[in-house]
Amino acid sequence: NAGVTQTPKFRVLKTGQSMTLLCAQDMNHEYMYWYRQDPGMGLRLIHYSVGEGTTAKGEVPDGYNVSRLKKQNFLLGLESAAPSQTSVYFCASSYFGTGNTGELFFGEGSRLTVL
Amino acid sequence: AQRVTQPEKLLSVFKGAPVELKCNYSYSGSPELFWYVQYSRQRLQLLLRHISRESIKGFTADLNKGETSFHLKKPFAQEEDSAMYYCALLSGSARQLTFGSGTQLTVLP
Repeated sequence: NAGVTQTPKFRVLKTGQSMTLLCAQDMNHEYMYWYRQDPGMGLRLIHYSVGEGTTAKGEVPDGYNVSRLKKQNFLLGLESAAPSQTSVYFCASSYFGTGNTGELFFGEGSRLTVL
Repeated sequence: AQRVTQPEKLLSVFKGAPVELKCNYSYSGSPELFWYVQYSRQRLQLLLRHISRESIKGFTADLNKGETSFHLKKPFAQEEDSAMYYCALLSGSARQLTFGSGTQLTVLP
C-alpha cells in the first residue's frame, strides 16, 4: 500500500517554463489537496478537490492550475514558473463521510526550484 | 477567516526536560485542532487530535477555548522528538487544514 505518491521528487526549472506535478493515492479517498511549504510560513493550501472532476481554490492559487480527471490522481500545473514558486509541494488526501477523523495523509513532497 | 499561530520558530530543550510547543488559533466556529509532526526526511504525519484526547509518544494537548490555545506538551523530552511540529485547524466544506508556521524542536543530549 503506497499511500500518497508524488512525482517528480525534485525539479529545477527556468523562469517561464511549465511543468506538472502528479499526485496519486491508492486509498480511494475523495478529498485531495495541494500545499506548498515555505520556511517560516508553514504549509499553505493552493488548490483542493472534493471529488473526481471538481477543483477549488485554496489560500494561494495564483500561478497554479489543477485537474482531477481520475479519482486517484490530482495534478498541479505551473503554466509559467516564477522564482516565487520555488518551494516544497505536498499533496495530501483524506476520506469523506462518517469516520472522517480529519486526518490528512501526505506524500513525501516535491522540491521545486525556479531559477 | 481562520488562523493558526505558532509563536516559536525554534525551540531547544535538553533531554529529560519538559517541553511545551505553543499554538493559538482564531476561528469563529467550533474548532477541530491537530498536531502534525515531520521528522527529518519523512513525510508529514498526524501526531494527535484534540477530539480523541489521547497521548501519543508521551505528548498531550488540551484545547482551551477561553484562551483559544492548543499547546503541545511532553513532561520528559527525548532526542527522537526532534522534528518540525505543526499545529493545524480543520475547517471548510472540504475539511481542509490551516497550518501554523511550525516550530522546529531540537532535543539536546
